[in-house]
Amino acid sequence: DTAVSQTPKYLVTQMGNDKSIKCEQNLGHDTMYWYKQDSKKFLKIMFSYNNKELIINETVPNRFSPKSPDKAHLNLHINSLELGDSAVYFCASSSRTARNYGYTFGSGTRLTVV
Amino acid sequence: GEDVEQSLFLSVREGDSSVINCTYTDSSSTYLYWYKQEPGAGLQLLTYIFSNMDMKQDQRLTVLLNKKDKHLSLRIADTQTGDSAIYFCAEGEDKLSFGAGTTVTVRA
Repeated sequence: DTAVSQTPKYLVTQMGNDKSIKCEQNLGHDTMYWYKQDSKKFLKIMFSYNNKELIINETVPNRFSPKSPDKAHLNLHINSLELGDSAVYFCASSSRTARNYGYTFGSGTRLTVV
Repeated sequence: GEDVEQSLFLSVREGDSSVINCTYTDSSSTYLYWYKQEPGAGLQLLTYIFSNMDMKQDQRLTVLLNKKDKHLSLRIADTQTGDSAIYFCAEGEDKLSFGAGTTVTVRA
């Protein structure tokens, strides 16, 4: 019954590979996000989708491409992985009409590029 | 985030109160939030405060908001070992901006 679930939890891959991270929420929220947390625990937003429409696209390399097939799913595909992409990636969701509940986060995907 | 600042570390003795401080820049945020992150886990919403409130109490947690100074604080009463974690202050509307997180260590 996990509210926001991400897969995989861990991902170790070589430089230059392409990988995807999947996220699903069962909260009925209309907005989903991808955040990147670096080794210093600093969290930065990457993308946000509202009802499958991209509404936030921060300064992120073109190698990162989000896809939202429906409002309960938001996936992140990364091409040509680089060492600097190593981080923990968090998916989150929220309801625009219930902001006082904040965001609900997934447990994260730890990506290690070697 | 560059818009939200927090001190990085806090060490507190078990049973004492912890106070974590945060300053923010976006005065248009309707809500301000405190999140907790335990090792290897995602962020968990601890509490939030509506921007026109000065204080909110929720069991052991007290949030104080000084809107004039754009200062937010979180007080944890009777701090327990289970309170050891990273605490993030966050603000924003369409996107949340987070502080760098305060690592709270509770010592016996």
